[in-house]
Amino acid sequence: AQKVTQAQTEISVVEKEDVTLDCVYETRDTTYYLFWYKQPPSGELVFLIRRNSFDEQNEISGRYSWNFQKSTSSFNFTITASQVVDSAVYFCALTRDSTGTASKLTFGTGTRLQVTL
Amino acid sequence: GAGVSQSPSNKVTEKGKDVELRCDPISGHTALYWYRQRLGQGLEFLIYFQGNSAPDKSGLPSDRFSAERTGESVSTLTIQRTQQEDSAVYLCASSFTGDRGEQFFGPGTRLTVL
Repeated sequence: AQKVTQAQTEISVVEKEDVTLDCVYETRDTTYYLFWYKQPPSGELVFLIRRNSFDEQNEISGRYSWNFQKSTSSFNFTITASQVVDSAVYFCALTRDSTGTASKLTFGTGTRLQVTL
Repeated sequence: GAGVSQSPSNKVTEKGKDVELRCDPISGHTALYWYRQRLGQGLEFLIYFQGNSAPDKSGLPSDRFSAERTGESVSTLTIQRTQQEDSAVYLCASSFTGDRGEQFFGPGTRLTVL
């Protein structure tokens, strides 16, 4: 069975602070994909990143960066210099490698990030 | 270039009534998924369809829940004899088969059972 744990239910920061959202996963699959999605107040899920289990390189995209560590089964997400527009619920998700077939996503319970002025 | 659409956006119903929720996937996407998101919770997988294969119904919480998909297009999620605990946002997603899980989500249908 697969499981994703986001232990931080809610985080509040002041604008321009850096913030890290934690994600720990469990899977018996040897190959899998990890994701982060953003859910702003409007409700629609926005895809942020997908990471293959074989690729442990960290990734940076603008103010966003992701730290994948297979040894600790973690896939943490850092927002640098946070902005009010970053306020949303962030979900970490996991799926098995589904080449040729569809595969469901297993989601964590989400972390609500509140960025204030 | 339309995304995934869902209707209705909001549905209020009385306990015991049946409801139907509709999902129009992105054209060309062969896989379609339904998830449920209860207030303040993460998304729970319900069911997915992939081409002509038998659907994976492993996430359906009870036999009151069912879903159909016509070919590779529209899907309908039906909840019979609704209960208050069915109140949630129901999200639909679609993807290309084997696209390594990258799913595109619709805006959801918010269901309220009184």
